Amino acid sequence: QQQVKQSPQSLIVQKGGISIINCAYENTAFDYFPWYQQFPGKGPALLIAIRPDVSEKKEGRFTISFNKSAKQFSLHIMDSQPGDSATYFCAASLPGDYKLSFGAGTTVTVRA
Amino acid sequence: NAGVTQTPKFQVLKTGQSMTLQCAQDMNHEYMSWYRQDPGMGLRLIHYSVGAGITDQGEVPNGYNVSRSTTEDFPLRLLSAAPSQTSVYFCASSYRGGTGEQYFGPGTRLTVT
Repeated sequence: QQQVKQSPQSLIVQKGGISIINCAYENTAFDYFPWYQQFPGKGPALLIAIRPDVSEKKEGRFTISFNKSAKQFSLHIMDSQPGDSATYFCAASLPGDYKLSFGAGTTVTVRA
Repeated sequence: NAGVTQTPKFQVLKTGQSMTLQCAQDMNHEYMSWYRQDPGMGLRLIHYSVGAGITDQGEVPNGYNVSRSTTEDFPLRLLSAAPSQTSVYFCASSYRGGTGEQYFGPGTRLTVT
């Protein structure tokens, strides 16, 4: 039973468009919410992460929005580029715990 | 720094065979873990270790063994391979007390026939 539910499974966006990936969790004790990016044939790599004391975090074209009351968080990719085509995983972990619970992943394809 | 390295990159096994997937890191990270990645399932934790001599089970440990005799190495053993263990396996490491970021290896693609 996945502790973090991720949607959609895949999405296609035009170059310059906005990609939005959503995740929901049940365990309110989670206190660390990272997003990992994975290119084909490679291991995942940390993209951006947030803790529940803030509602938004932005790094370049990537933004995490966090809604603690709804137990949801999302990744927004602004001005999507073909180089952003990858699989994105959301995850969550408990305080002091290094184990990550991952979502199922979203494959993003950016069309030129 | 080589980061997290995994060998082999690809492996084909017959049902019932055993093998060891190797993982090493040169970042002096205390925490190491093994995940398997299957389509539509994300990454699921198999086993993890918080330091040399300490290991524990993750979400899907059955059919796998681990040991951690040194800080650098964390091998994963398949005792008697089954087709259900066909997957891509990733090793990851993390620095305790850091930001929580986990560094992943390039993966091993295993096929069990």
